[in-house]
Amino acid sequence: GNSVTQMEGPVTLSEEAFLTINCTYTATGYPSLFWYVQYPGEGLQLLLKATKADDKGSNKGFEATYRKETTSFHLEKGSVQVSDSAVYFCALRIRNTGFQKLVFGTGTRLLVSP
Amino acid sequence: EAQVTQNPRYLITVTGKKLTVTCSQNMNHEYMSWYRQDPGLGLRQIYYSMNVEVTDKGDVPEGYKVSRKEKRNFPLILESPSPNQTSLYFCASSPKPSLGLAGVETQYFGPGTRLLVL
Repeated sequence: GNSVTQMEGPVTLSEEAFLTINCTYTATGYPSLFWYVQYPGEGLQLLLKATKADDKGSNKGFEATYRKETTSFHLEKGSVQVSDSAVYFCALRIRNTGFQKLVFGTGTRLLVSP
Repeated sequence: EAQVTQNPRYLITVTGKKLTVTCSQNMNHEYMSWYRQDPGLGLRQIYYSMNVEVTDKGDVPEGYKVSRKEKRNFPLILESPSPNQTSLYFCASSPKPSLGLAGVETQYFGPGTRLLVL
């Protein structure tokens, strides 16, 4: 089946620290990969996505590279801010015809302190 | 502003009392979904719809109903809520993908509805 595994949280960092949140996947077809972010009290927002192997998605200083050989899509940021504190979800969607739902990981909470 | 709206945002109810959570999108999207979010489980799909009058079950449909009479609206109905349906619910919409690009389109999420069933 299709599944996404994320590292357990919370991840606690000081401001300006380097961030990595690991994400690996298993997929029966050819997936597109996504990172969504959920700020406190809000819905999910798309942070970045990559649709084929070796693509790099980037947004707001965050990056993730689609690694087919390791089935991974790790999220990175060089210098986190307090405002980055949120829950981050890795997700995949199989590229095919018809409706394909997003398959989510369990989420990783990031806490950034001043 | 392009958005997905849900109402109510918070709801406390009792076992067995029918309720409806509304979802509306103003982006003319064909596809809409309902998810529930539970600690340690991430988001799981309840139902989805590919167009008006076209709906199908997701991964956890038991105890829920949906309807899609208009393109913009996709209400979630709990005919007889039970405590195990206490959760955070999200509605999402996305455009119908272009030929050959299925799975690439972005899903847009509503702000969530927090439901407590006593």
